[in-house]
Amino acid sequence: GQQLNQSPQSMFIQEGEDVSMNCTSSSIFNTWLWYKQDPGEGPVLLIALYKAGELTSNGRLTAQFGITRKDSFLNISASIPSDVGIYFCAGRLEGAQKLVFGQGTRLTINP
Amino acid sequence: GAVVSQHPSWVICKSGTSVKIECRSLDFQATTMFWYRQFPKQSLMLMATSNEGSKATYEQGVEKDKFLINHASLTLSTLTVTSAHPEDSSFYICSARETGGRQETQYFGPGTRLLVL
Repeated sequence: GQQLNQSPQSMFIQEGEDVSMNCTSSSIFNTWLWYKQDPGEGPVLLIALYKAGELTSNGRLTAQFGITRKDSFLNISASIPSDVGIYFCAGRLEGAQKLVFGQGTRLTINP
Repeated sequence: GAVVSQHPSWVICKSGTSVKIECRSLDFQATTMFWYRQFPKQSLMLMATSNEGSKATYEQGVEKDKFLINHASLTLSTLTVTSAHPEDSSFYICSARETGGRQETQYFGPGTRLLVL
């Protein structure tokens, strides 16, 4: 089935560092969503993107909808311990109901 | 953001029993809800798409008679795991799609952890 390639799979960083992760696909999406999931909980929506080239921020988080509509990235600036978790990208194809998910990026922060 | 609740948050049951999980959109109406299953350290696996007032659409490999879905109202969908067995133990997460204007997004519930003994 349709897949999104999310990278990196895991990151080990120092507190205060910036983080960048991305998702790519061979298909064109009309919506990109970024979620964070903590252990034992459901994913929480961080940022939603609806237009090619759109750049949206949510506090220290910034995400962009790629101009080709086949990719998206998420940046976290000045990481803090509570940023630890798994980040998922998700995209929706034109006319589709369901989301396609990336494999997730596991973020670990050393204090 | 919009809130989706799920109940129960965890359940332990004996093999052979049925378990019902409820998913509610608390502050918006959701014509479409989704049920996912997640194994440890893996991404979310879509089981079925539930549309209010119609039959659910199941993903390939998901037994519809095993996982019964009912979407009786615009704010409630239920997943019933029938005759549960240990291999059904997993983390089940529902999601509701909010539509408004030109923008649509999808919010997740907190998940239900099922352990079948």
